[in-house]
Amino acid sequence: ILNVEQSPQSLHVQEGDSTNFTCSFPSSNFYALHWYRWETAKSPEALFVMTLNGDEKKKGRISATLNTKEGYSYLYIKGSQPEDSATYLCASQINTGGFKTIFGAGTRLFVKA
Amino acid sequence: NAGVTQTPKFQVLKTGQSMTLQCAQDMNHNSMYWYRQDPGMGLRLIYYSASEGTTDKGEVPNGYNVSRLNKREFSLRLESAAPSQTSVYFCASYGGSGKLFFGSGTQLSVL
Repeated sequence: ILNVEQSPQSLHVQEGDSTNFTCSFPSSNFYALHWYRWETAKSPEALFVMTLNGDEKKKGRISATLNTKEGYSYLYIKGSQPEDSATYLCASQINTGGFKTIFGAGTRLFVKA
Repeated sequence: NAGVTQTPKFQVLKTGQSMTLQCAQDMNHNSMYWYRQDPGMGLRLIYYSASEGTTDKGEVPNGYNVSRLNKREFSLRLESAAPSQTSVYFCASYGGSGKLFFGSGTQLSVL
């Protein structure tokens, strides 16, 4: 069983603040690392999928980096807006003949106007 | 373009009752998953299926059974529901690259 850990568990910031979250995962049999944005009562929305060590992805004000050797990924939000309030989930995939995908518990972000 | 279709959307059961959650995808994906979502715990993997005819336990398989009926369908069965199984359940599929595709979720209450 993988252990995917996310920190912090929750984060309260002011509008305009920049913030970042951490996802740590076991590096053995690594296949891919996913980030999702998730609002209550909705299905998770994909942000990024990264596979290579050193990968960096960007989508608007949100970006992510990946270090597969040490087993961590960072998600950055620049200039947080109230609409960024959500839970941010990371998921680690290992290839064991199938793609076992384990999620972390998420970071709950609250952005105050 | 349906993607992942999950039924039912809501269900209330009494303790001890059984039910099956249905999931179907039309994207020809090999991998399919069942997760449960509980407050503060993200999505926890119940079972997954790497391909038609194969299933494997995830993090929290106790109290559940699954069937990968064919490539399209992956069902989750609760044989004797317990209040601890009250949760929101998500089915997902994956094609080998890119993102997971999720169903819209099933809100299950066991009284």
